[in-house]
Amino acid sequence: DSGVTQTPKHLITATGQRVTLRCSPRSGDLSVYWYQQSLDQGLQFLIQYYNGEERAKGNILERFSAQQFPDLHSELNLSSLELGDSALYFCASSHRQDVNEKLFFGSGTQLSVL
Amino acid sequence: GEDVEQSLFLSVREGDSSVINCTYTDSSSTYLYWYKQEPGAGLQLLTYIFSNMDMKQDQRLTVLLNKKDKHLSLRIADTQTGDSAIYFCAERGATNKLIFGTGTLLAVQP
Repeated sequence: DSGVTQTPKHLITATGQRVTLRCSPRSGDLSVYWYQQSLDQGLQFLIQYYNGEERAKGNILERFSAQQFPDLHSELNLSSLELGDSALYFCASSHRQDVNEKLFFGSGTQLSVL
Repeated sequence: GEDVEQSLFLSVREGDSSVINCTYTDSSSTYLYWYKQEPGAGLQLLTYIFSNMDMKQDQRLTVLLNKKDKHLSLRIADTQTGDSAIYFCAERGATNKLIFGTGTLLAVQP
Protein backbone atom coordinates (compact mmCIF):
# COMPACT_ATOMS: atom_id res chain seq x y z
CA ASP A 1 0.00 0.00 0.00
CA SER A 2 1.58 3.24 -1.20
CA GLY A 3 -0.55 5.47 1.02
CA VAL A 4 -2.01 7.29 -2.00
CA THR A 5 -5.77 6.81 -2.35
CA GLN A 6 -7.67 7.26 -5.58
CA THR A 7 -11.41 7.12 -6.02
CA PRO A 8 -13.30 5.75 -7.73
CA LYS A 9 -11.43 2.64 -8.85
CA HIS A 10 -13.61 2.22 -11.91
CA LEU A 11 -15.76 4.69 -13.79
CA ILE A 12 -17.96 4.02 -16.80
CA THR A 13 -19.57 6.93 -18.57
CA ALA A 14 -20.75 8.12 -21.96
CA THR A 15 -19.22 10.46 -24.53
CA GLY A 16 -19.86 14.12 -23.85
CA GLN A 17 -20.08 13.64 -20.11
CA ARG A 18 -17.95 15.13 -17.35
CA VAL A 19 -16.27 13.21 -14.52
CA THR A 20 -14.15 14.03 -11.50
CA LEU A 21 -11.35 11.81 -10.27
CA ARG A 22 -10.14 12.23 -6.73
CA CYS A 23 -6.74 11.68 -5.15
CA SER A 24 -5.63 11.80 -1.52
CA PRO A 25 -1.83 11.97 -1.24
CA ARG A 26 0.27 10.26 1.39
CA SER A 27 0.15 11.95 4.74
CA GLY A 28 2.59 14.87 4.71
CA ASP A 29 3.14 14.90 0.96
CA LEU A 30 2.70 18.33 -0.59
CA SER A 31 3.15 17.46 -4.25
CA VAL A 32 0.56 15.69 -6.39
CA TYR A 33 1.03 14.46 -9.95
CA TRP A 34 -1.53 13.16 -12.44
CA TYR A 35 -0.68 10.64 -15.16
CA GLN A 36 -2.71 9.03 -17.91
CA GLN A 37 -1.92 5.49 -19.01
CA SER A 38 -3.36 4.23 -22.27
CA LEU A 39 -2.45 1.40 -24.59
CA ASP A 40 -1.37 3.60 -27.46
CA GLN A 41 0.26 6.51 -25.58
CA GLY A 42 1.84 4.71 -22.65
CA LEU A 43 2.20 6.64 -19.40
CA GLN A 44 1.82 10.38 -19.99
CA PHE A 45 2.42 13.15 -17.48
CA LEU A 46 -0.56 15.49 -17.23
CA ILE A 47 0.00 18.01 -14.46
CA GLN A 48 1.67 18.60 -11.10
CA TYR A 49 0.57 20.62 -8.08
CA TYR A 50 2.62 21.62 -5.07
CA ASN A 51 0.93 22.91 -1.94
CA GLY A 52 -2.09 24.09 -3.88
CA GLU A 53 -0.31 25.69 -6.81
CA GLU A 54 0.23 24.37 -10.31
CA ARG A 55 3.93 23.58 -10.80
CA ALA A 56 4.31 21.77 -14.09
CA LYS A 57 2.11 20.98 -17.04
CA GLY A 58 2.47 18.11 -19.46
CA ASN A 59 0.25 16.77 -22.21
CA ILE A 60 -3.01 17.80 -20.61
CA LEU A 61 -5.91 18.60 -22.91
CA GLU A 62 -7.85 21.84 -22.55
CA ARG A 63 -10.94 19.75 -21.75
CA PHE A 64 -9.14 18.54 -18.63
CA SER A 65 -8.44 20.55 -15.51
CA ALA A 66 -7.15 19.85 -12.05
CA GLN A 67 -6.78 21.51 -8.70
CA GLN A 68 -5.26 20.85 -5.31
CA PHE A 69 -7.25 21.87 -2.27
CA PRO A 70 -6.04 23.31 1.06
CA ASP A 71 -6.21 19.84 2.62
CA LEU A 72 -3.85 18.75 -0.20
CA HIS A 73 -6.21 16.34 -1.89
CA SER A 74 -6.50 16.80 -5.63
CA GLU A 75 -9.18 16.41 -8.24
CA LEU A 76 -8.84 15.85 -11.97
CA ASN A 77 -11.85 17.02 -13.98
CA LEU A 78 -12.41 15.56 -17.42
CA SER A 79 -15.13 17.12 -19.55
CA SER A 80 -16.69 16.60 -22.99
CA LEU A 81 -15.40 13.07 -22.78
CA GLU A 82 -14.40 11.22 -25.93
CA LEU A 83 -13.84 7.54 -26.56
CA GLY A 84 -10.11 8.17 -26.68
CA ASP A 85 -10.13 9.42 -23.11
CA SER A 86 -10.63 5.86 -21.90
CA ALA A 87 -7.52 5.11 -19.90
CA LEU A 88 -6.10 4.42 -16.47
CA TYR A 89 -5.51 7.66 -14.60
CA PHE A 90 -2.88 7.60 -11.90
CA CYS A 91 -2.21 10.05 -9.13
CA ALA A 92 1.17 10.14 -7.41
CA SER A 93 2.49 12.13 -4.50
CA SER A 94 5.82 13.17 -3.07
CA HIS A 95 6.86 15.15 -0.04
CA ARG A 96 8.48 18.03 -1.89
CA GLN A 97 9.09 18.81 -5.51
CA ASP A 98 12.84 18.30 -5.66
CA VAL A 99 14.27 16.43 -8.60
CA ASN A 100 15.37 13.55 -6.40
CA GLU A 101 11.95 13.04 -4.89
CA LYS A 102 10.48 9.57 -5.25
CA LEU A 103 6.88 9.36 -6.34
CA PHE A 104 4.37 7.09 -4.68
CA PHE A 105 1.53 6.03 -6.93
CA GLY A 106 -2.08 5.23 -6.24
CA SER A 107 -3.79 2.21 -7.77
CA GLY A 108 -5.41 4.34 -10.44
CA THR A 109 -8.91 5.05 -11.71
CA GLN A 110 -9.94 3.05 -14.75
CA LEU A 111 -12.10 5.28 -16.93
CA SER A 112 -14.18 3.73 -19.68
CA VAL A 113 -15.97 6.07 -22.05
CA LEU A 114 -18.67 4.30 -24.07
CA GLY B 1 12.56 17.34 -26.32
CA GLU B 2 12.04 14.65 -23.76
CA ASP B 3 11.52 11.12 -25.01
CA VAL B 4 12.06 7.79 -23.31
CA GLU B 5 11.97 4.51 -25.22
CA GLN B 6 11.87 0.89 -24.15
CA SER B 7 11.40 -2.43 -25.86
CA LEU B 8 7.86 -3.71 -25.38
CA PHE B 9 8.37 -7.29 -24.30
CA LEU B 10 10.92 -9.60 -22.68
CA SER B 11 10.52 -13.27 -21.88
CA VAL B 12 12.94 -15.16 -19.62
CA ARG B 13 13.04 -18.45 -17.76
CA GLU B 14 12.84 -18.58 -13.99
CA GLY B 15 16.31 -18.39 -12.47
CA ASP B 16 17.85 -16.59 -15.44
CA SER B 17 18.87 -12.93 -15.43
CA SER B 18 16.64 -10.33 -17.06
CA VAL B 19 17.98 -7.17 -18.65
CA ILE B 20 15.53 -4.41 -19.50
CA ASN B 21 16.85 -1.54 -21.58
CA CYS B 22 15.85 2.08 -21.90
CA THR B 23 17.07 5.04 -23.93
CA TYR B 24 16.32 8.69 -23.28
CA THR B 25 16.97 11.95 -25.06
CA ASP B 26 17.10 14.64 -22.38
CA SER B 27 20.77 15.30 -21.69
CA SER B 28 19.85 17.38 -18.64
CA SER B 29 18.34 14.38 -16.84
CA THR B 30 19.33 14.41 -13.21
CA TYR B 31 17.72 11.28 -11.87
CA LEU B 32 16.62 8.12 -13.65
CA TYR B 33 14.17 5.67 -12.18
CA TRP B 34 12.82 2.18 -12.58
CA TYR B 35 9.21 1.51 -11.64
CA LYS B 36 7.32 -1.79 -11.55
CA GLN B 37 3.63 -2.14 -12.31
CA GLU B 38 1.88 -5.36 -11.37
CA PRO B 39 -1.54 -6.20 -12.82
CA GLY B 40 -4.28 -3.98 -11.43
CA ALA B 41 -1.88 -1.95 -9.31
CA GLY B 42 -0.16 1.40 -9.41
CA LEU B 43 3.50 1.94 -10.12
CA GLN B 44 5.98 1.05 -7.45
CA LEU B 45 9.43 2.60 -7.32
CA LEU B 46 12.10 -0.10 -7.56
CA THR B 47 15.28 1.91 -7.65
CA TYR B 48 16.80 5.10 -8.99
CA ILE B 49 20.20 6.38 -9.98
CA PHE B 50 21.70 9.83 -10.00
CA SER B 51 23.05 10.91 -13.36
CA ASN B 52 26.65 11.15 -12.17
CA MET B 53 26.69 7.46 -11.24
CA ASP B 54 27.50 4.57 -13.57
CA MET B 55 26.06 1.74 -11.57
CA LYS B 56 23.88 1.06 -8.59
CA GLN B 57 23.22 -2.33 -7.03
CA ASP B 58 20.34 -3.14 -4.72
CA GLN B 59 19.99 -6.82 -3.83
CA ARG B 60 18.92 -8.60 -7.04
CA LEU B 61 18.69 -5.34 -8.98
CA THR B 62 21.57 -3.71 -10.85
CA VAL B 63 21.13 -0.41 -12.67
CA LEU B 64 23.67 0.59 -15.30
CA LEU B 65 23.79 4.08 -16.74
CA ASN B 66 25.72 5.10 -19.85
CA LYS B 67 25.25 8.84 -19.85
CA LYS B 68 27.20 9.34 -23.07
CA ASP B 69 24.82 7.07 -24.98
CA LYS B 70 21.81 8.04 -22.83
CA HIS B 71 21.19 4.37 -22.11
CA LEU B 72 19.82 2.92 -18.90
CA SER B 73 19.40 -0.74 -18.06
CA LEU B 74 17.91 -2.77 -15.25
CA ARG B 75 19.28 -6.23 -14.55
CA ILE B 76 17.27 -8.58 -12.36
CA ALA B 77 19.31 -11.53 -11.13
CA ASP B 78 17.70 -14.93 -10.48
CA THR B 79 14.39 -13.80 -11.98
CA GLN B 80 11.32 -15.24 -10.28
CA THR B 81 7.73 -15.64 -11.46
CA GLY B 82 6.78 -12.89 -9.04
CA ASP B 83 8.92 -10.51 -11.07
CA SER B 84 6.46 -10.77 -13.96
CA ALA B 85 5.17 -7.23 -14.44
CA ILE B 86 5.55 -4.14 -16.59
CA TYR B 87 8.74 -2.21 -15.90
CA PHE B 88 8.93 1.50 -16.64
CA CYS B 89 12.03 3.60 -16.81
CA ALA B 90 11.60 7.30 -16.16
CA GLU B 91 13.79 10.36 -16.28
CA ARG B 92 13.52 13.67 -14.52
CA GLY B 93 15.19 16.58 -16.19
CA ALA B 94 15.48 20.29 -15.79
CA THR B 95 11.73 20.81 -16.18
CA ASN B 96 11.18 18.62 -13.11
CA LYS B 97 8.62 16.54 -14.98
CA LEU B 98 8.95 12.79 -14.59
CA ILE B 99 8.80 11.37 -18.11
CA PHE B 100 8.10 7.67 -18.45
CA GLY B 101 8.94 5.18 -21.13
CA THR B 102 6.23 3.03 -22.66
CA GLY B 103 7.01 0.13 -20.36
CA THR B 104 8.48 -3.35 -20.91
CA LEU B 105 6.36 -6.37 -20.16
CA LEU B 106 8.52 -8.98 -18.45
CA ALA B 107 7.15 -12.52 -18.66
CA VAL B 108 8.89 -15.10 -16.51
CA GLN B 109 8.40 -18.68 -17.63
CA PRO B 110 8.53 -21.38 -14.91
